[in-house]
Amino acid sequence: AQKVTQAQTEISVVEKEDVTLDCVYETRDTTYYLFWYKQPPSGELVFLIRRNSFDEQNEISGRYSWNFQKSTSSFNFTITASQVVDSAVYFCALSDLLSGGYNKLIFGAGTRLAVHP
Amino acid sequence: EAQVTQNPRYLITVTGKKLTVTCSQNMNHEYMSWYRQDPGLGLRQIYYSMNVEVTDKGDVPEGYKVSRKEKRNFPLILESPSPNQTSLYFCASSSPGRVHNEQYFGPGTRLTVT
Repeated sequence: AQKVTQAQTEISVVEKEDVTLDCVYETRDTTYYLFWYKQPPSGELVFLIRRNSFDEQNEISGRYSWNFQKSTSSFNFTITASQVVDSAVYFCALSDLLSGGYNKLIFGAGTRLAVHP
Repeated sequence: EAQVTQNPRYLITVTGKKLTVTCSQNMNHEYMSWYRQDPGLGLRQIYYSMNVEVTDKGDVPEGYKVSRKEKRNFPLILESPSPNQTSLYFCASSSPGRVHNEQYFGPGTRLTVT
């Protein structure tokens, strides 16, 4: 069954440290999409990135980078030089045809990141 | 501005008192859905709708109803709320297709049932 695992429930770092949030997914589909969302304390969901299964290039956006490895079914997210504003819950998610169509997202449990000054 | 709106944003109610959470989108999206978010479980889909008058169960539909009489609106109905429905609810909309199209989420509704 389609599944997303975020094994890290909570991570606590000091400002300026680098931090990696892990995401492991399971799917039988060959075409699928992976996502990261940020949920700040205010509660809304902020879209960060979408990758499709045919694009394994790593991506960097400012202090954020994503490492997609199909061989290990992982889509990890790294924040470089973390800041207090990065404190949030981060969700990894998957969509494919078998789990209900590309419009449905299967979310991981989330990782709560606390960045301390 | 493209957006999904939800009302109310916060609601405290008592067991058994029927309530409706509204969801509206201004992007002419065919697909709309509801998710609930619970600690340690992430977000899970409750119901979805592929178009007007077409709705179907998601992964956790028990205790909920929905309707889709207009394309822009997709209300979530709790006819007899119970404490285990205390949660953070998100409405989402997108265009269906053979690829993933961008999904827009509402701001969330925090519901407490006592």
